Amino acid sequence: GENVEQHPSTLSVQEGDSAVIKCTYSDSASNYFPWYKQELGKGPQLIIDIRSNVGEKKDQRIAVTLNKTAKHFSLHITETQPEDSAVYFCAACSNDYKLSFGAGTTVTVRA
Amino acid sequence: IAGITQAPTSQILAAGRRMTLRCTQDMRHNAMYWYRQDLGLGLRLIHYSNTAGTTGKGEVPDGYSVSRANTDDFPLTLASAVPSQTSVYFCASSQQRTSGMNEQFFGPGTRLTVL
Repeated sequence: GENVEQHPSTLSVQEGDSAVIKCTYSDSASNYFPWYKQELGKGPQLIIDIRSNVGEKKDQRIAVTLNKTAKHFSLHITETQPEDSAVYFCAACSNDYKLSFGAGTTVTVRA
Repeated sequence: IAGITQAPTSQILAAGRRMTLRCTQDMRHNAMYWYRQDLGLGLRLIHYSNTAGTTGKGEVPDGYSVSRANTDDFPLTLASAVPSQTSVYFCASSQQRTSGMNEQFFGPGTRLTVL
């Protein structure tokens, strides 16, 4: 099955700086890569996703890049704000529609 | 629009007891999923259903069962709870498309403690 690894497990950044989270996947058939944000006591919420036929996607302060050859993808958050503090999960989806999640990254934005 | 609701919000359960976690969605999604979330392990798929009337096993199905009698409801049952089933359980749903996009929407979770 698919194996998704996520790094780092924790990330502390100064407000206004950028945050980068990296994930690798094992199944070359995976074709959909979403990122979820989970705030304390809540369920994960989709913040951005990318399909395998696209190399980069941006949405305001967040962007995702995908390197299919190397089987890795990354989340970039620019101009971080206190409300960006949360746990972030990457995931990979293959043809069976099932998502495999990374272990998560706890992001803390210091004021 | 409620999206996905889960009940109960939290529960403390004695080992050996039977427990059903409820999940209801109002988005008419064809697929539904149950995950458990444990620290350092992310979200792991327990069972899923691609459409009403069908179910499948995920990564960690042992000790759990599901049913999908209709589109909206997807209960998860622990037949005889054990302490290792202490976790936060999330239900999710999605509209599976042939394009491969599979945006999953998550419920608020059920925190279960088995003593």
